[in-house]
Amino acid sequence: EPEVTQTPSHQVTQMGQEVILRCVPISNHLYFYWYRQILGQKVEFLVSFYNNEISEKSEIFDDQFSVERPDGSNFTLKIRSTKLEDSAMYFCASRLGQNYGYTFGSGTRLTVV
Amino acid sequence: SQQGEEDPQALSIQEGENATMNCSYKTSINNLQWYRQNSGRGLVHLILIRSNEREKHSGRLRVTLDTSKKSSSLLITASRAADTASYFCATDAYSNYQLIWGAGTKLIIKP
Repeated sequence: EPEVTQTPSHQVTQMGQEVILRCVPISNHLYFYWYRQILGQKVEFLVSFYNNEISEKSEIFDDQFSVERPDGSNFTLKIRSTKLEDSAMYFCASRLGQNYGYTFGSGTRLTVV
Repeated sequence: SQQGEEDPQALSIQEGENATMNCSYKTSINNLQWYRQNSGRGLVHLILIRSNEREKHSGRLRVTLDTSKKSSSLLITASRAADTASYFCATDAYSNYQLIWGAGTKLIIKP
């Protein structure tokens, strides 16, 4: 069964450093997403990406964050100048279209120290 | 404002029993989805029910949707220890691209 692949599975970074979280969505999917889940809390939407551009972003997704789809397969989330409160599990997801379920990656656990 | 809200927050039952979890939401939706999350792990899509559907089955899962009450339920029949996980509902609205998530129900199946 096709999978969404995320790397790394765990990243520890110093506060103020930049991190790039990587995702390879399912190849024929058209919609791509980043969500995050702070430990013990709800899953929160960050950004959606369709047709090579951001289609929607949340209040969390401020200038500190950016996404890219540099080639036909990768989808990255960059967090500049990380803060302690950015520590969370970050999930990438993709789906074929609206009215389809999402396929999530297994997540990147980001720990900012 | 919060969209999906599950209840109960936690549910502990004996293996073999049925587990029912409920979800309520506030705005109009295109579809509602249920996901499972094992502790510290990724989210697994279980089932999607469209706004014009009332009931859907997948294996031991049965989902109902009542759009007049803005609520859904997930029934897991003949529960197994491996069903121990957190279960989330998430709503997909017409006007935006994101899923809005509830806080989840933590299900524990006792052997």
